[in-house]
Amino acid sequence: AQKVTQAQTEISVVEKEDVTLDCVYETRDTTYYLFWYKQPPSGELVFLIRRNSFDEQNEISGRYSWNFQKSTSSFNFTITASQVVDSAVYFCALSEASRDDKIIFGKGTRLHILP
Amino acid sequence: NAGVTQTPKFQVLKTGQSMTLQCAQDMNHEYMSWYRQDPGMGLRLIHYSVGAGITDQGEVPNGYNVSRSTTEDFPLRLLSAAPSQTSVYFCASSTRGGRTEAFFGQGTRLTVV
Repeated sequence: AQKVTQAQTEISVVEKEDVTLDCVYETRDTTYYLFWYKQPPSGELVFLIRRNSFDEQNEISGRYSWNFQKSTSSFNFTITASQVVDSAVYFCALSEASRDDKIIFGKGTRLHILP
Repeated sequence: NAGVTQTPKFQVLKTGQSMTLQCAQDMNHEYMSWYRQDPGMGLRLIHYSVGAGITDQGEVPNGYNVSRSTTEDFPLRLLSAAPSQTSVYFCASSTRGGRTEAFFGQGTRLTVV
């Protein structure tokens, strides 16, 4: 079954702290794709990263980093030295190659960065 | 480029009314989809299309209808609006379904009273 779990509904941290958003997925496919999207208070959805199941290399982009671990079916997202502008809802998503039409989203984690 | 354009941005309907949410993209993407976003529920897939003339159901298709007569357009029809359809609706498109980045419209906030 295709499923994404973001157990953290809401997180608050003080500015400049590091924060990790968890994402656990379920799939029976060996080929699948994982995504993170950001939804700032303005409401639009912004693509952050895409990973395929054959690429377990962790990625860093500025203050953002992603840890993909197939052994634990997790694709966690870390923001280093958080800033107020990072306040948003973050969604993890999964699509399976056998059903690559469907992108299924988790319920999202609302992140508050406090000044 | 306009990207993905949704209209209207806001809409209030009375129970039982029908309406069509419009979605158009100018990126020549084959794959288009509709999601609804409700508090605490994330984004749930309503319907999707892998190309002109082809549509399929997502997670929550009941009460909605779609068609895809052109690559550019993917309208979502509410047949008989119900208060449970009060939500924010997002249209998205991508080049290769779930294998590539999805581009989202700005959303339509629909209230059914």
